Amino acid sequence: NAGVTQTPKFQVLKTGQSMTLQCAQDMNHNSMYWYRQDPGMGLRLIYYSASEGTTDKGEVPNGYNVSRLNKREFSLRLESAAPSQTSVYFCASSDKGSPGTQYFGPGTRLLVL
Amino acid sequence: SQQGEEDPQALSIQEGENATMNCSYKTSINNLQWYRQNSGRGLVHLILIRSNEREKHSGRLRVTLDTSKKSSSLLITASRAADTASYFCATDVTGYKLSFGAGTTVTVRA
Repeated sequence: NAGVTQTPKFQVLKTGQSMTLQCAQDMNHNSMYWYRQDPGMGLRLIYYSASEGTTDKGEVPNGYNVSRLNKREFSLRLESAAPSQTSVYFCASSDKGSPGTQYFGPGTRLLVL
Repeated sequence: SQQGEEDPQALSIQEGENATMNCSYKTSINNLQWYRQNSGRGLVHLILIRSNEREKHSGRLRVTLDTSKKSSSLLITASRAADTASYFCATDVTGYKLSFGAGTTVTVRA
């Protein structure tokens, strides 16, 4: 099992460009999450999907959109990137039956110039 | 705002010593979890303690939870160089969404 995979690993964008971060999990988990991590800030939840077909805003959703493509895949889209979105993005998944333990991908480092 | 806050922000210890870090939170929780993050990697789940538990052990890790003080502590005994990492507490309030603190960076000196 690969667990949670993310692509790309690293990306440089210019202000105003768009891109989609991909995430997939092979653990048959119901819930998936997108976080951003900035120095000294810990992880902040952007969006989450408690189950296939549902998505909800987290703590910092502005400037992002998500798609729960199927049970395995959850993508994060930046429609018009801004320098403030320079960050490390983590995808995670958890099993609905568990009390919230999350499994994380390796992260995507995004630099917006 | 973040639910959990770790203290201290950074900790430097000698190999073989114990490391203790604390987490305080604001609202009632279902459970509290601790995660480790090695430099440049994703987070790895370490241990979960439920709101009705007071202490839990896993190998060299010992976690305590005091719901009356809304605080938890993580103790790593007999530290090793491989324990050098950032440690995060996360609170489960809803059953499917976690709120993370800013983390404690632990450096274990050889």
